[in-house]
Amino acid sequence: SQKIEQNSEALNIQEGKTATLTCNYTNYSPAYLQWYRQDPGRGPVFLLLIRENEKEKRKERLKVTFDTTLKQSLFHITASQPADSATYLCALARIKAAGNKLTFGGGTRVLVKP
Amino acid sequence: DADVTQTPRNRITKTGKRIMLECSQTKGHDRMYWYRQDPGLGLQLIYYSFDVKDINKGEISDGYSVSRQAQAKFSLSLESAIPNQTALYFCATSDFKNEQFFGPGTRLTVL
Repeated sequence: SQKIEQNSEALNIQEGKTATLTCNYTNYSPAYLQWYRQDPGRGPVFLLLIRENEKEKRKERLKVTFDTTLKQSLFHITASQPADSATYLCALARIKAAGNKLTFGGGTRVLVKP
Repeated sequence: DADVTQTPRNRITKTGKRIMLECSQTKGHDRMYWYRQDPGLGLQLIYYSFDVKDINKGEISDGYSVSRQAQAKFSLSLESAIPNQTALYFCATSDFKNEQFFGPGTRLTVL
């Protein structure tokens, strides 16, 4: 069966350090992968999209890598700040799936300590 | 004003009641989605619609129905609510770029 796995354990990190989150998938041929941020009691907010033929994408302090051989995406927050504390969700869209519907992972909570 | 709005924001109801959750958007997007979120399980797709005349079942549509009244409005109904439908429900929209824009969510409790 198709699976998207994110580390369910919270990631505690010191301010200024780099947080690295992992998204692994099985039995998928994704067309692209997205990362979202979700704060408690709020809807997810889109951060980055990376396509199957791209290795790396950056946006300000965020970096995403996508390795279709390993079936893995890494999400990095550099120079982390307490305001980065949130849950981060990865989502995959399958190739040729009708309308490229997204399937979401369970999310990883990040806590940045000052 | 928010681009995607949901009403109500919180609802407590009893088993067997019919419930409607409403979603409106001002983004002008054709695609709209309903998800439910349970703790630690991520978002599960209930229904999606690519235009007013197009409605599709998602992963967990049993026990739910939807209505796309207009491009801007997409409603989710629970015909006869049951306790395991207690969850956080999100509406989302997207354009051809597939970035999804989520509403603030509705917290539904079925007693």
